[in-house]
Amino acid sequence: EVQLVESGGALVQPGGSLRLSCAASGFTFSYYSMNWVRQAPGKGLEWVSYISFSDTTIYYADSVKGRFTISRDNAKNSLYLQMNSLRAEDTAVYYCARGTSSGWNWGQGTLVTVSS
Amino acid sequence: IQMTQSPSSLSASVGDRVTITCRASQSINTYLNWYQQKPGKAPKVLIYAASSLQSGVPSRFSGSGSGTEFTLTISSLKPEDFATYYCQQSSSIPQTFGQGTKVEIK
Repeated sequence: EVQLVESGGALVQPGGSLRLSCAASGFTFSYYSMNWVRQAPGKGLEWVSYISFSDTTIYYADSVKGRFTISRDNAKNSLYLQMNSLRAEDTAVYYCARGTSSGWNWGQGTLVTVSS
Repeated sequence: IQMTQSPSSLSASVGDRVTITCRASQSINTYLNWYQQKPGKAPKVLIYAASSLQSGVPSRFSGSGSGTEFTLTISSLKPEDFATYYCQQSSSIPQTFGQGTKVEIK
């Protein structure tokens, strides 16, 4: 069974940093591209970042470019999102998601709250 | 690629037929997925490749369309179907989402 488990969400002050992790199991992690998607309270889904299976291709949403860094460790079956210079508008549930030809598989999400 | 869903919300009764539309800003062939999301839960894929039903999803859900216009239809609404529905294009990266359609109880 495919499982994605996010962790690392917390309350952080504006300007602070946070690193999210996503532990993958139930599939060959190194074969799949991965994404981070966020959802602000009461809002829709916003794609944040993409990393290819071999991490040679990386994309970011304009809203996080220059502040967030996606990475992966295929040996540890793990995906990461380093978030710096956090703003109030970054407050959201952050999901990691596996891309497949039959739709995405999602983790349960981790809550990031940016507030003083 | 921008994805636009309509309506943003709708009220319907159990047993109603419900149709949600999703339009892409350029042709995406049939690279279109539909998700259902309930409060506090992650999205769950219902339909992929515009019209293929994900394993385990009830047959009252169906999808159609190609190019730039797509529809998700629920043939007879059940109580567990009250949720928010999102379309997503998988034609190019980033694989963008529509803004969502909230299906509420009338």
